[in-house]
Amino acid sequence: KAGVTQTPRYLIKTRGQQVTLSCSPISGHRSVSWYQQTPGQGLQFLFEYFSETQRNKGNFPGRFSGRQFSNSRSEMNVSTLELGDSALYLCASRRSASGGLGSGANVLTFGAGSRLTVL
Amino acid sequence: EDKVVQSPLSLVVHEGDTVTLNCSYEVTNFRSLLWYKQEKKAPTFLFMLTSSGIEKKSGRLSSILDKKELFSILNITATQTGDSAVYLCAGIISNFGNEKLTFGTGTRLTIIP
Repeated sequence: KAGVTQTPRYLIKTRGQQVTLSCSPISGHRSVSWYQQTPGQGLQFLFEYFSETQRNKGNFPGRFSGRQFSNSRSEMNVSTLELGDSALYLCASRRSASGGLGSGANVLTFGAGSRLTVL
Repeated sequence: EDKVVQSPLSLVVHEGDTVTLNCSYEVTNFRSLLWYKQEKKAPTFLFMLTSSGIEKKSGRLSSILDKKELFSILNITATQTGDSAVYLCAGIISNFGNEKLTFGTGTRLTIIP
């Protein structure tokens, strides 16, 4: 069974630009979460989508947005990029948005991430 | 503010040694604690701990949770070079039925052959 697929794997942008990252969850998984990982802050929760609806949101500015499509694929967008947005962006999927994050088949499975560098 | 703190930040040991990684948390609406291993990019799930005092084991890895003292440890015995990775712990926080993970910054473990 294919894992969580993220594209692109690497990208370089300049300040002020915007970027869109894509995530295809494991087949049958309907919930997609996004995390930002930086050396100083570790993994920080951005948002979670289930059935095309945002279910939960972290403490990030409005420049960070996301959406989910009817096939459960998700995109996140960062507008007006800043140097501090340089990070590894990880997407994770699970079967549903209920039933407990750590329980059985509902454990979060992560993709390999998209490494964003802002110059 | 919810907080998960891991120690040490980094650890270098020789192959065959036993290591103990620590995770303490201050999290409201705490449900469970997860351990992940991150080798290159994608963190992979190791354990979920919900009940205090019950040890979870998988081969040479084991973990236990103390809900009274708000901490967890991850033990790795007879370490191998393949154990070199960043180990992450995360608290599951439930907020009006919506859950999210709050991660620590991780412990970078390096095993020297």
